[in-house]
Amino acid sequence: EAGVAQSPRYKIIEKRQSVAFWCNPISGHATLYWYQQILGQGPKLLIQFQNNGVVDDSQLPKDRFSAERLKGVDSTLKIQPAKLEDSAVYLCASSIPGGGTEAFFGQGTRLTVV
Amino acid sequence: AQTVTQSQPEMSVQEAETVTLSCTYDTSESNYYLFWYKQPPSRQMILVIRQEAYKQQNATENRFSVNFQKAAKSFSLKISDSQLGDTAMYFCAFPAHSNSGYALNFGKGTSLLVTP
Repeated sequence: EAGVAQSPRYKIIEKRQSVAFWCNPISGHATLYWYQQILGQGPKLLIQFQNNGVVDDSQLPKDRFSAERLKGVDSTLKIQPAKLEDSAVYLCASSIPGGGTEAFFGQGTRLTVV
Repeated sequence: AQTVTQSQPEMSVQEAETVTLSCTYDTSESNYYLFWYKQPPSRQMILVIRQEAYKQQNATENRFSVNFQKAAKSFSLKISDSQLGDTAMYFCAFPAHSNSGYALNFGKGTSLLVTP
């Protein structure tokens, strides 16, 4: 079974530039998550999709971050314009719906904003 | 609010020894799940073990086991016969319910170093 795919693995950009991350979840997983993990901290949920609808985006900085999940499969997370404090690892995860189900994670994208 | 607290930022253990990582949480729910995830340097989070709150028996997965104390809201992870490959960040996680779904709420993590 193929895992969660993310790209790119690394990205370095200057502040005020834009960047996009891509995620392809495990086939059949209706729920998709984007997490932000700042160095030395646990992952923080940015947005959660159920199929192609947003379930929770309460912690997404909507003035600069946006995300979409077209056709309920792939997802893209965008930052525009980037700030220094956006430097972090961005993790994508997918699961079948439910509170007790395992979330499967991709390898993440390490973003450095200079 | 549902919070997860890991009070040990770093721990070290010698190969073949046993180590216990602590986690406490806060919730008003009566039935829920708790998870331990491992994040090696490759950054990919991997599920280590899962516990259902309504089950009194502690979960076990090979060398990994939990000590689940529901009344104390404590969920510690025990790693027996530690191996070099166990070196990683370990996160305790609790699925927080919001709107129509669940999303994992993570602690700050414990960095575990297994030494020869």
